[in-house]
Amino acid sequence: QKEVEQNSGPLSVPEGAIASLNCTYSDRGSQSFFWYRQYSGKSPELIMFIYSNGDKEDGRFTAQLNKASQYVSLLIRDSQPSDSATYLCAVNMERAGTASKLTFGTGTRLQVTL
Amino acid sequence: SAVISQKPSRDICQRGTSLTIQCQVDSQVTMMFWYRQQPGQSLTLIATANQGSEATYESGFVIDKFPISRPNLTFSTLTVSNMSPEDSSIYLCSVARGGETQYFGPGTRLLVL
Repeated sequence: QKEVEQNSGPLSVPEGAIASLNCTYSDRGSQSFFWYRQYSGKSPELIMFIYSNGDKEDGRFTAQLNKASQYVSLLIRDSQPSDSATYLCAVNMERAGTASKLTFGTGTRLQVTL
Repeated sequence: SAVISQKPSRDICQRGTSLTIQCQVDSQVTMMFWYRQQPGQSLTLIATANQGSEATYESGFVIDKFPISRPNLTFSTLTVSNMSPEDSSIYLCSVARGGETQYFGPGTRLLVL
């Protein structure tokens, strides 16, 4: 069974610190990886996607991918209370270029404290 | 991204009845999907809505329970049939415009009594 695993948390970090969210996946052939943020009572909102090994930066967010270790992470620099949410890791386990069928992890709840 | 709307935003229904949820996008999209998010859990894909043909259902979901229509490239419906309290959930549509990235609608919160 193809799986995506995340620590459910809560992960508590002080304001201004770096939050590190981790995700592992079971299918070695997975090609594309997504991070969504979901506030309580709201729908998921795309933060970033990453396809290649290494780091991808967008503002305060950095996605890191290591396909050999089947590991993807999201770093949030200068964490703000508004970053408090559940972060969902999603993996496309289909062949590259085919219709995206995402498998979601259970999400990590992040709490940024004052 | 795309502007996605869903109707209704929430509903309370009696067991044994059916509810049809609409998903409307502001521009044509290649793919439309329906997900379920049960309380405190992550998203589970119900089916891929195919334009002009039958939807493609994931394991554990069947057409008789969750009939789906997609008459054009901007609109889809999901019906939850013969509802039971176990169907209480958030139902989300998502869209992809040619690529692999999916964008989600605001969701429909369903409570079955």
